[in-house]
Amino acid sequence: RKEVEQDPGPFNVPEGATVAFNCTYSNSASQSFFWYRQDCRKEPKLLMSVYSSGNEDGRFTAQLNRASQYISLLIRDSKLSDSATYLCVVDDSNYQLIWGAGTKLIIKP
Amino acid sequence: DAGVIQSPRHEVTEMGQEVTLRCKPISGHNSLFWYRQTMMRGLELLIYFNNNVPIDDSGMPEDRFSAKMPNASFSTLKIQPSEPRDSAVYFCASSFGTSGGETQYFGPGTRLLVL
Repeated sequence: RKEVEQDPGPFNVPEGATVAFNCTYSNSASQSFFWYRQDCRKEPKLLMSVYSSGNEDGRFTAQLNRASQYISLLIRDSKLSDSATYLCVVDDSNYQLIWGAGTKLIIKP
Repeated sequence: DAGVIQSPRHEVTEMGQEVTLRCKPISGHNSLFWYRQTMMRGLELLIYFNNNVPIDDSGMPEDRFSAKMPNASFSTLKIQPSEPRDSAVYFCASSFGTSGGETQYFGPGTRLLVL
């Protein structure tokens, strides 16, 4: 079983729609959770950290469910510029970050 | 502020040649990571330095790969001899902290093609 699992997609979503995807992790001791965004042929960039209480940044909302060991990302009012691959990242409680394979999102006009 | 700097941005070489990738982390960061990304395997951690000391190199594919961090502002990843299966994008990332759970900042990557 992979330590961090994501649906690879692609998710094809019309502009203006709401889209959500989840990521499951296997290490119950993990403490740090992130969503990174990677554009085509670019480096990963931090989108947002995920806190236990959940957090929101504009159109983006991240949630953590420790009991079921998953984190989620919700994007409201999607824009064409949201098209990218979204990487779920979880610490392995031993100094390393474990990266999911990413979920590809395509926003269509 | 300057982010993580990597050079070269692109490298095309022939099988058997030595390849050296370079990275300058963000000033003040004390952790440095080398990653490799391919379509098939995604993002893989190769090696992690903390305060210039290699902490874990278990991700280094084999003896052909070596990494050094002679000081806090410079690291190299060397492949000798290179093979076609080494073709990938190599990212360097840096962070500040020791827990491993800190935000990592990536450089633009080096696209390596081994013919």
